[in-house]
Amino acid sequence: DIVLTQSPGTLSLSPGERATLSCRASEGVRNNYLAWYQLRRGQTPRLLVYGASNRAAGVPDRFSASGSGTYFTLTISRLEPEDFAVYFCQQYGSSITFGGGATVEIK
Amino acid sequence: EVQLVQSGAEVKKSGESLKISCKASGYNFPNYWIGWVRHMPGKGLEWMGIIYSGDSDTKYNPSFRGHVTISVDKSLETAYLQWNGLKASDTAMYYCARLAEPQWFPNWFDSWGQGTQVSVSS
Repeated sequence: DIVLTQSPGTLSLSPGERATLSCRASEGVRNNYLAWYQLRRGQTPRLLVYGASNRAAGVPDRFSASGSGTYFTLTISRLEPEDFAVYFCQQYGSSITFGGGATVEIK
Repeated sequence: EVQLVQSGAEVKKSGESLKISCKASGYNFPNYWIGWVRHMPGKGLEWMGIIYSGDSDTKYNPSFRGHVTISVDKSLETAYLQWNGLKASDTAMYYCARLAEPQWFPNWFDSWGQGTQVSVSS
């Protein structure tokens, strides 16, 4: 199985700052089949990105994602209060696996 | 609008059985896969398994195979996750989620249920 390692585990930032999260795969993700999700406390996971860089419907353009092969990133250009949450990557190039999550917390 | 509505929170004892549900609406149910994802406190998401609503083709994460059973009732447009012998380590939030692209496995999850909290005491 492909193992996804997310870093950093926790990012402490202030509103308005830029957040960059990474997701590293133990082997190449076929066709860059990688998605990102946001999980706010008490809410349902929300799809942000699929296909490594395609924003899902309704996702603000301050969210951007890129990467290929074994290294992928999710960037939030200017943090809004509602962006403080946990973020997960998921690969679907070979079955399905999720990363361990990365928390963006208010500094 | 696609909706997945899960059954309510459960409190059980170790060794007991449990079946939780995920009622779908707003889309052509038989054409899509529905999966189950576990979220333990402070941990990552874990894909448990998935079922194709049209023909009940089921795939399991090897880590969960034999411990849970995934099923679907096409007439009720509902998917299920079942345990026959709960353990305290099964305490977690469980989400159902729909794969975005019809028929094709695997792909990404575009719609999620609200989650079912399962608490198991030893």
